[in-house]
Parts: sequence; structure tokens; C-alpha cells
Amino acid sequence: SVLLYQKPNRDICQSGTSLKIQCVADSQVVSMFWYQQFQEQSLMLMATANEGSEATYESGFTKDKFPISRPNLTFSTLTVNNARPGDSSIYFCSSRDSTYEQYFGPGTRLTVL
Amino acid sequence: GDQVEQSPSALSLHEGTGSALRCNFTTTMRAVQWFQQNSRGSLINLFYLASGTKENGRLKSTFNSKESYSTLHIRDAQLEDSGTYFCAAATNYGSSGNKLIFGIGTLLSVKP
Repeated sequence: SVLLYQKPNRDICQSGTSLKIQCVADSQVVSMFWYQQFQEQSLMLMATANEGSEATYESGFTKDKFPISRPNLTFSTLTVNNARPGDSSIYFCSSRDSTYEQYFGPGTRLTVL
Repeated sequence: GDQVEQSPSALSLHEGTGSALRCNFTTTMRAVQWFQQNSRGSLINLFYLASGTKENGRLKSTFNSKESYSTLHIRDAQLEDSGTYFCAAATNYGSSGNKLIFGIGTLLSVKP
């Protein structure tokens, strides 16, 4: 299994500001994934981040809006640029173990005012 | 595109009873996972199946990759089983980049 930690647990920010969400894994992992979940909805894959390469974004998500860094095999950061109320949601980081079972961090609940 | 169709979207059970959740896949999937999302929003891994059936306590899950569906059976439901249950299917290696795609979720409410 993989244990994932996220910081902060929750954040409230003003429209137009940027914020960073950090994710740390308890072991080295090849891929880290970021998901967005709006209230009472399902999880949507935003992007896949591998160490040393640019993140791959899913349709509807861009690196200008959601830049992701992956500096090493245990860490990733998601930034939300120019935050808007429509970005208010829970952001999860995720990764897989050697069996390809996927695990999720506790989530970061973001509210944009 | 790849799709995961989950049903029902909501389910109400009395304590001690049981039911089944189902996910249909519109394309061949490599594996399926089932999660419970609790009231704090945390995702709890319930099952990971590449094929066949697994059982854990009062929960049992089956994945039929040939017929493209998976089920999650809950028996003897307890109040603490309440929450949202998600199935998520892993696309095949090399197709769509091996991603985990979620169903819409089933909101389970267990009543006394």
C-alpha cells in the first residue's frame, strides 16, 4: 500500500490569489495523480505527474491554471492559479503501489471567496 | 470515451438488510476498485480486483472483465456503512494512459 499525506487539510482564499497543495508519499512512487471532487459529485482526474517530466493534463485542465511539480519520487505540489469560486472543491492526490492498486490522500478542501 | 456507469445513485437500507451496487463499463477495463467515502471525505479502499471475487467481512465484490461489470454486495448493513460508495475502473495499459476512472457514486443510507 501507499500512504499519502496532504497539506493543508483545508484552505480559504480570495478570488484571484494562488495557493499550493502539497502531497507526500511514504514511499517512492512512479506516478502521482491529482483529482478534483465537487460537492456531492464524483472524482475527476486532473493530471498525472511523473518525476522529472511535465505533468499530463486531462481535458478541461491546463498547466497554466493548475501547474504541478514533481521534483522527486515522494513529493508533488498542485498549484491553483487565479483561484475562482468555481474552483472550490476537494483536491486529492493519489498514487499506486507495486500491484497497481491506487490509494488516495485525505484531500484538501478549498473554498474560494 | 471510457465510461463507468454506476447504479443505483442512492440506496436506503434498514440495519441488518443487504443489497448490491453495480458498475457497467463501456470498454474493457484492466481492473476495478471499490471505495467508501466517509463523512469526513476520506476515501477508504475496499477492494481491488483484476478478476474474480473477493470477500471482506460483510462485503463481497466481483469483477467480470469479459462482460464488463463489477458488483459490490453488502450484507447485514450497519449504521456505520452509511456513506458514498464509488467504483473506479482502471483502463488498459497503453490505452488512455492507464487511468482510474470513477463512477458517479452510490449514496448509501443505513437506517435503524
